[in-house]
Amino acid sequence: DAGITQSPRYKITETGRQVTLMCHQTWSHSYMFWYRQDLGHGLRLIYYSAAADITDKGEVSDGYVVSRSKTENFPLTLESATRSQTSVYFCASRNLGGTEAFFGQGTRLTVV
Amino acid sequence: SQKIEQNSEALNIQEGKTATLTCNYTNYSPAYLQWYRQDPGRGPVFLLLIRENEKEKRKERLKVTFDTTLKQSLFHITASQPADSATYLCALGLGNAGNMLTFGGGTRLMVKP
Repeated sequence: DAGITQSPRYKITETGRQVTLMCHQTWSHSYMFWYRQDLGHGLRLIYYSAAADITDKGEVSDGYVVSRSKTENFPLTLESATRSQTSVYFCASRNLGGTEAFFGQGTRLTVV
Repeated sequence: SQKIEQNSEALNIQEGKTATLTCNYTNYSPAYLQWYRQDPGRGPVFLLLIRENEKEKRKERLKVTFDTTLKQSLFHITASQPADSATYLCALGLGNAGNMLTFGGGTRLMVKP
């Protein structure tokens, strides 16, 4: 189906484990973003990418790694998960020259 | 410090009334401002955009105003319906040509029948 999809929808992992959250979009949008959403903080930008092989840090990038080898995929990796990374993660995409961001359905990650 | 503030308390209104939500920001110079709707368990969905040189935008029952001097945007829903109940987020377009979206914490709107 066309659109932006995230996987998994729910994930429970242990402290110290590496976890990768997947994001795939079918529009060939240039820009892709990762946000985390926590009560009291709203949506905070973790990383964004303007094109394949171009990524940049956002407000809360420590402990996260991204890659973008293909335009349509933008995986987010937690190198060594911590309890403070328990959150709902949203991926979004936007076309070059556009302003509207399209969001995935989110991944709820729990680190125990 | 840079902040985007939305009323964290829920806004409760009666069906048919106009809901007005506020977004205030400090120490930002956004190229534009957007409003999104978010339902529980879902990602935000774009509603409206207003640029820095625009004062007001309308779309059906929605109206947005943008005052760059006050650093404030107001979001109005006229003739509100229970289906309008959701969390509404404002977002500033920042950086080079507004490439980065920075969000406020959102305001939950409850429309009672």
